[in-house]
This record gives sequence, C-alpha cells and structure tokens, in this order.
Amino acid sequence: DVKVTQSSRYLVKRTGEKVFLECVQDMDHENMFWYRQDPGLGLRLIYFSYDVKMKEKGDIPEGYSVSREKKERFSLILESASTNQTSMYLCASILQGAFAEAFFGQGTRLTVV
Amino acid sequence: KNEVEQSPQNLTAQEGEFITINCSYSVGISALHWLQQHPGGGIVSLFMLSSGKKKHGRLIATINIQEKHSSLHITASHPRDSAVYICAVVPNTGNQFYFGTGTSLTVIP
Repeated sequence: DVKVTQSSRYLVKRTGEKVFLECVQDMDHENMFWYRQDPGLGLRLIYFSYDVKMKEKGDIPEGYSVSREKKERFSLILESASTNQTSMYLCASILQGAFAEAFFGQGTRLTVV
Repeated sequence: KNEVEQSPQNLTAQEGEFITINCSYSVGISALHWLQQHPGGGIVSLFMLSSGKKKHGRLIATINIQEKHSSLHITASHPRDSAVYICAVVPNTGNQFYFGTGTSLTVIP
C-alpha cells in the first residue's frame, strides 16, 4: 500500500559529491514537494513541481536543483554536497487542489561528511 | 517569520494522561493538518480540518478559525503515541503548506 517512496532511508556522502534523492508516487498526483527538516526549524520547502518539467523554488533552494521528467518521479539533486546539507529530507505528493489529502515519503536522513 | 507556532515543543506524560498540543497561525487558511512523525522519519496525516472538530479513536482535533488556533488532544495516552506531532496549514493565498516546528511527545509506561 506504499504511495510515496523515497529511494533511501539513510545516506552518507562526502563533501563535494553529487547526490540524487529520488521520490516516486503511484497516485497520479500533479503536485510534488521536497522539504528538509532540521531540529528547531521544522520542515522547510526546497522546491516544488506542479507538473512534468515544471519546477518552482521554495524557501531555501540554494545548493539544490530538481528534476521532474515523469509525473510520478521528482528528484532532488545536490550538485556539490556540503556538510550544512546534512538533514532529513522529505518528499510529499498532493493531488492538484486537493490539500485535504497529502502523502509523505518515509524520509531520507542524509549525512555529509 | 513563522506563520505557525506550536506549543509545547517537548512534552513528557505518564501513560493514561490526557494530552493537549496547541497550534496558532497568523495567516488566513483553507485547511489545517495534524501530522504524526514516528522515530525513523515517516510522516502520516492524522487529520485535515477546515472547521469544528474531528475524532479518530483516542485522537481529537479542534479548530477555531476566528481565533486562528487548533488543538490536538490525545485521551488515555499510550507509549505508542510517542512521536513528533506537526501542525501544517494551507494558506488561502497559495497551494503549499506552512509547518510548525513540531511537538515531541514521550509517553512513559
């Protein structure tokens, strides 16, 4: 009954590496979101997408990019990972206009060393 | 700026206690969600509210739109209720979420 799947639960990468975090949803949702979650700061929006090949910056896009080549997949890319990108990353999927129901992935805890 | 404020940040309770978590927000909203995050990270949506009150098992959520305030209550708390509870609002002006920073609940047997 999995609806939103993130590719990794735990990830350790080195400074300077290119990192891909993948999110796949099986509900044919238009809207997908990437958040990072840090102690005391809560969830902050990095990027979101309303449709294939569309992307919008969130509140903290610096150091990140995204890709949405297919409706079901939304990828978050760290072009050159840095230690301040160590965080929990969460993907969300929402049917267009239907914020009554949102689905979240299980999270990826990324550590950059 | 923080559109959503939760209190308390941390809460420890004895099993069986009645628990209340509060959420205040500063923007006009179309909906408010209560989310639960267990250790390990996965988030589950507990409730979506646009008015009034909802109940699911031992969980009750209320919202007062005029006062811009919502509460999540847990009756007869149990150790399995230990989690982080997050309040999220959907503003009238946009189609995204604003999140509170969460309340970490620990229920001791």
